[in-house]
Amino acid sequence: SSELTQEPAVSVALGQTVRITCQGGNLRRFYANWYQQRPGQAPSLVMYGKDNRPSGIPDRFSGSISGNTASLTITGAQAEDEADYYCNSRDSSGDLVVFGGGTKLTVL
Amino acid sequence: QLQLQESGPRLVKPSETLPLTCTVSGGSLSSGGSSWGWFRQPPGKGLEYMGNIYYSGRTLYNPSLKSRLTMSVDTSKNQFSLTLNSVTASDAAVYFCARIGGVATFGGIIHPWGQGTLVTVSS
Repeated sequence: SSELTQEPAVSVALGQTVRITCQGGNLRRFYANWYQQRPGQAPSLVMYGKDNRPSGIPDRFSGSISGNTASLTITGAQAEDEADYYCNSRDSSGDLVVFGGGTKLTVL
Repeated sequence: QLQLQESGPRLVKPSETLPLTCTVSGGSLSSGGSSWGWFRQPPGKGLEYMGNIYYSGRTLYNPSLKSRLTMSVDTSKNQFSLTLNSVTASDAAVYFCARIGGVATFGGIIHPWGQGTLVTVSS
C-alpha cells in the first residue's frame, strides 16, 4: 500500500488548467516531487520541492503544497502533457522512498 | 550530463536469481549527498521503490523485498547492482535505476532515470 494517495485518472480540455493532487501525512515533513511518464518511457522529473522546475520543463507546470496535500498544476494543458504522473516523497521513517499510485492525465 | 543504463538478463526462470547492473556515466557515484536507487514497474501498474545504496555501501531496502534483495556498489567501475533472489511471476517488471538526490526535506528527488529494462519471469 502507498503512503501517498493520488486520484487514478484526471482529464482536461486542451488549453485548460488541471490540478493533480498527492495526499499523505508525511507531506507535512517532506516535500513531494513529481514525475511524468509517457507510454513506453522512463519517468522524468517535472517538479521538485515546493515549486521547482528542472531545466527544460515548461513554466505551465507549477507546484504547491497545502497541509498534507501537494499539487501539480498544468496551466494551459497541451496534447503532449497526456501521460501518467507520479508523486514521491519519504516514508514516516524519513529513510525510504514512497510513491503515489499515479494519475493518468487525459488531454481532450 | 549524468546518464544511467541498466543491464542484465531479460528472462529469468522462477525460483532463480535476478542480477541487474546500473552503469553511471557523465558523473561519479561519489556525488555528494546522492544515493543510487532501484525501482520497478510491473506491466500496466505503478512505480515501486526497491531500495537504494550510498557510495559508502550503506543500503536501504523496501521492507517488502528486504529478505530477497541485495544491493552493492563497484566504485572502480562506477556501477551499482542488485540481486533479487527466488523470483516469481510477480517480479516481472521494467526495472529502472536512478540517482536519488536533494536534502532530506525534499523527499528524495529521483533524477535522472535509466531507460529501464524489461525482465520476464518464465520457465
